[in-house]
Amino acid sequence: SQQGEEDPQALSIQEGENATMNCSYKTSINNLQWYRQNSGRGLVHLILIRSNEREKHSGRLRVTLDTSKKSSSLLITASRAADTASYFCATDVAYNTDKLIFGTGTRLQVFP
Amino acid sequence: KAGVTQTPRYLIKTRGQQVTLSCSPISGHRSVSWYQQTPGQGLQFLFEYFSETQRNKGNFPGRFSGRQFSNSRSEMNVSTLELGDSALYLCASRWGSEQFFGPGTRLTVL
Repeated sequence: SQQGEEDPQALSIQEGENATMNCSYKTSINNLQWYRQNSGRGLVHLILIRSNEREKHSGRLRVTLDTSKKSSSLLITASRAADTASYFCATDVAYNTDKLIFGTGTRLQVFP
Repeated sequence: KAGVTQTPRYLIKTRGQQVTLSCSPISGHRSVSWYQQTPGQGLQFLFEYFSETQRNKGNFPGRFSGRQFSNSRSEMNVSTLELGDSALYLCASRWGSEQFFGPGTRLTVL
């Protein structure tokens, strides 16, 4: 079964707006990663945040991690139509770093 | 560096047949994992190989098996296919804590 839940399940915004997606997980983790998937294709790695980090940036992406609440958020600033995709969070578990457990995903639609 | 490659990209099989999927990891990566993605169950971990040894296995029946070769390439086999095996099968190679995914193999079982 999936560990993570993502919220919202779907999000529609206009180009230029910011998009925020949230992820919750259930067990202690070492790392949390965010991925993007376009139309049932492969997953593109976006960013990894370690359990001892609270915030990380990469270009237009900002990820936060709150281990006390077992939650993370992904913020995409100044969205573009090309950002239209599904976004997944994935966690390992503290005792097993080899296996990723994925959230349910957020479907983002950015309208030009 | 070239990314993770998977072959074939699309496959159509009938119930009862078996199928073999192939994955070549990023050069230098020794860990390969396999995941199944379906609309109903989402992304689920199948198994992980490192240096030709299976280190982890997900909660899938024994019809799902895999192996890894000395060059780190990996194959996944599904025997006695069922309709529910229709899915996107994704392979990932790992460097440190980051896992990088291939484009997937779309398997359709008729």
